[in-house]
Amino acid sequence: GAGVSQSPRYKVAKRGQDVALRCDPISGHVSLFWYQQALGQGPEFLTYFQNEAQLDKSGLPSDRFFAERPEGSVSTLKIQRTQQEDSAVYLCASSSDRAYNSPLHFGNGTRLTVT
Amino acid sequence: AQTVTQSQPEMSVQEAETVTLSCTYDTSESDYYLFWYKQPPSRQMILVIRQEAYKQQNATENRFSVNFQKAAKSFSLKISDSQLGDAAMYFCAYRRRAGTASKLTFGTGTRLQVTL
Repeated sequence: GAGVSQSPRYKVAKRGQDVALRCDPISGHVSLFWYQQALGQGPEFLTYFQNEAQLDKSGLPSDRFFAERPEGSVSTLKIQRTQQEDSAVYLCASSSDRAYNSPLHFGNGTRLTVT
Repeated sequence: AQTVTQSQPEMSVQEAETVTLSCTYDTSESDYYLFWYKQPPSRQMILVIRQEAYKQQNATENRFSVNFQKAAKSFSLKISDSQLGDAAMYFCAYRRRAGTASKLTFGTGTRLQVTL
């Protein structure tokens, strides 16, 4: 595809349910980031992949959050036993290589609402 | 840890006028990038402009320019000849100039309204 694709665009979950959010980066992009954006806030870093390797997961807020990118392309962010404070927009971004100056391309995000 | 502060939650500008959005940051590093991103209602973050800290010259992109004051750790965005399509959330962001891809640290954003 032409850009980073995220699905679903909207997700409503009842508290305690598990959810899985998908990110399709631009084909061939090496680096992939996940960010969490609470209402009225800026995005906050969750985790970073270089190909299939998860090199930084320092931003994951709890062990209920898990991300994977098994084949170095599509990534899934999983949240177990969702809580109301998990309600946010989850943004995915990719870049063509691992260099610091490689520009990031963002998707449109998934808005998660936990009721 | 790096922090980015945007002290203007909302700004308003008339069409064709000029507006400046403020941003300050804190870091102990000397080499880094600074960015302004635009986020329309579609939620996609769109890069507006980028500044390398080692460059003294302020970056410009058409109607968008920055005032980068490294000693003061200030990085403001000036939008000239504002257009209705400029209305959006604007986020200032910092990125360490590391050997491998590093995360962006964002401010809390400024909502820009453009009026007729």
